[in-house]
Amino acid sequence: GENVEQHPSTLSVQEGDSAVIKCTYSDSASNYFPWYKQELGKRPQLIIDIRSNVGEKKDQRIAVTLNKTAKHFSLHITETQPEDSAVYFCAASSAGGSQGNLIFGKGTKLSVKP
Amino acid sequence: GAGVSQSPRYKVAKRGQDVALRCDPISGHVSLFWYQQALGQGPEFLTYFQNEAQLDKSGLPSDRFFAERPEGSVSTLKIQRTQQEDSAVYLCASSVQGRNSPLHFGNGTRLTVT
Repeated sequence: GENVEQHPSTLSVQEGDSAVIKCTYSDSASNYFPWYKQELGKRPQLIIDIRSNVGEKKDQRIAVTLNKTAKHFSLHITETQPEDSAVYFCAASSAGGSQGNLIFGKGTKLSVKP
Repeated sequence: GAGVSQSPRYKVAKRGQDVALRCDPISGHVSLFWYQQALGQGPEFLTYFQNEAQLDKSGLPSDRFFAERPEGSVSTLKIQRTQQEDSAVYLCASSVQGRNSPLHFGNGTRLTVT
């Protein structure tokens, strides 16, 4: 089955700097890769997603890149702000079984220092 | 409602007790998922429904876990004879359709087994 690895587990940056979080996946049939932001005690919220037919997607300060050959994808946050502090999870679709199940990474705790 | 609603928000159970967790998905969402999130970890898949059909229950950790969605809307996750290792946040998510659709999560039920 699908396995998703996420790095780093913690990331601390100064306000205004960029942050990059990387994930790798194992199942070459996976074709949907969302990123979720989870603040302490709150629900995971979708911030951006990418499908395997594109290599990059951008939404204001957030971008995601996908390398299907290498089976890795990354989240890029530019001009970080203190409110970006949260745990970020990457996920990859499971190609088999339920046809909708997402496999999540273990998360990256991002701290943005003012 | 506007989002996925879960109840109760917190549940404390003594070891051996049965518990029932409720999920009210976004109206019209066909797919419903249950995930388990241990402290400091990413969500782990438990089970998936498309309408009232349970298409995948491969993530349920034992036969003490049971989920249903009898009318294709509200879902209940039941845990029988709770154990301490069942302590976690149980997240419900729904999507318009299963594959490659964004998941909308509820706030979860934090279960503590003492």
